[in-house]
Amino acid sequence: DAGVIQSPRHEVTEMGQEVTLRCKPISGHNSLFWYRQTMMRGLELLIYFNNNVPIDDSGMPEDRFSAKMPNASFSTLKIQPSEPRDSAVYFCASSPQPGTGSEQYFGPGTRLTVT
Amino acid sequence: KQEVTQIPAALSVPEGENLVLNCSFTDSAIYNLQWFRQDPGKGLTSLLLIQSSQREQTSGRLNASLDKSSGRSTLYIAASQPGDSATYLCASETPPHGGYSTLTFGKGTMLLVSP
Repeated sequence: DAGVIQSPRHEVTEMGQEVTLRCKPISGHNSLFWYRQTMMRGLELLIYFNNNVPIDDSGMPEDRFSAKMPNASFSTLKIQPSEPRDSAVYFCASSPQPGTGSEQYFGPGTRLTVT
Repeated sequence: KQEVTQIPAALSVPEGENLVLNCSFTDSAIYNLQWFRQDPGKGLTSLLLIQSSQREQTSGRLNASLDKSSGRSTLYIAASQPGDSATYLCASETPPHGGYSTLTFGKGTMLLVSP
């Protein structure tokens, strides 16, 4: 298995532009998580899906952020419009099933820089 | 809201030393405690998962312990090697929100093992 796949690996954009991050979870995993990592705040959960349905988006910082999971093998995180404070590494993770003791498998991340 | 703290934030040791990384959490009502490794520019790799009913888990030179009552976990690395250099994060899996549990991460300990 190729693991969790994220694209692009690096994204540099100007303030105000739309940014779309993509994730392909491990085949057969039912849960998908989007995280953001910064030096100041560490790793924060933004949103997670179970069986393609958003379960909790309370971590999404603002209305500028939106996430979709149209099918079991694909998810997007969109920022529109982007701002310099959105610069961070965004991770996607998937898990076989929700609940206790289920490991999460992380993708390599997308490093976003907004100038 | 669960808060996870890791100390020290950074640690530098010579090769061969045994070392301990510390993790504390504010809410002892956890399902499990997980330790991850993150290499520069990479995603997170799960190292050890301790269920709330367990006291410790071992994998090779790594040993993780859990004391729920005091809200603490430690990761012990025996005979450290330069290849152990990475950032180590702990995360607690907390009771369900909306029916599904989530991970709360510490900010990590950056470890450097010099030859």
